[in-house]
Amino acid sequence: ETGVTQSPTHLIKTRGQQVTLRCSSQSGHNTVSWYQQALGQGPQFIFQYYREEENGRGNFPPRFSGLQFPNYSSELNVNALELDDSALYLCASSLGSPGTQETQYFGPGTRLLVL
Amino acid sequence: DQQVKQNSPSLSVQEGRISILNCDYTNSMFDYFLWYKKYPAEGPTFLISISSIKDKNEDGRFTVFLNKSAKHLSLHIVPSQPGDSAVYFCAASAMDGANSKLTFGKGITLSVRP
Repeated sequence: ETGVTQSPTHLIKTRGQQVTLRCSSQSGHNTVSWYQQALGQGPQFIFQYYREEENGRGNFPPRFSGLQFPNYSSELNVNALELDDSALYLCASSLGSPGTQETQYFGPGTRLLVL
Repeated sequence: DQQVKQNSPSLSVQEGRISILNCDYTNSMFDYFLWYKKYPAEGPTFLISISSIKDKNEDGRFTVFLNKSAKHLSLHIVPSQPGDSAVYFCAASAMDGANSKLTFGKGITLSVRP
């Protein structure tokens, strides 16, 4: 049990729609990262937030955006959904500031299916 | 270009024997390495980590070895148990002061036979 929770667990959307995924980090964890895991692949870094500011972004288009709130919760928003966005979306929180050797603890993920 | 490679997609071992899971990396800036275990329908669970200033880290049945010159690390599980059957991901990060993103391999499916 990592203390990181995500909602919803599963979601079905159609192409072109928008989706918001939610994450609640462990209390005290100021850094949250989001990852996309496609079938048969390892998780891929989307972006990271530290104290409510985006602090690094992977190779994902601007239609992927996020927010982090003071209560250790965060959101991942995806606009104009495409079929290839179908994946498991994972959030991970860590205690330290970015750039330190801190372990990231993952939530159970949200499984998104785009039809 | 994959910076973290887990070249063997699967491994099967007998219960009680040693499991050795391998991982290679190409980015010399990586300085922190982690192993995660993942069951179906769950998120990755942290197992063990190692900093680049060490060559070995042990935690119970799990030991991680790091060979920086070869850019290679391995996870040893001994003795292996049926409950260890899962997908194992190797991940790495670079302490570049900007962010601490993890770069993952594709994973290895470990099956421990009773």
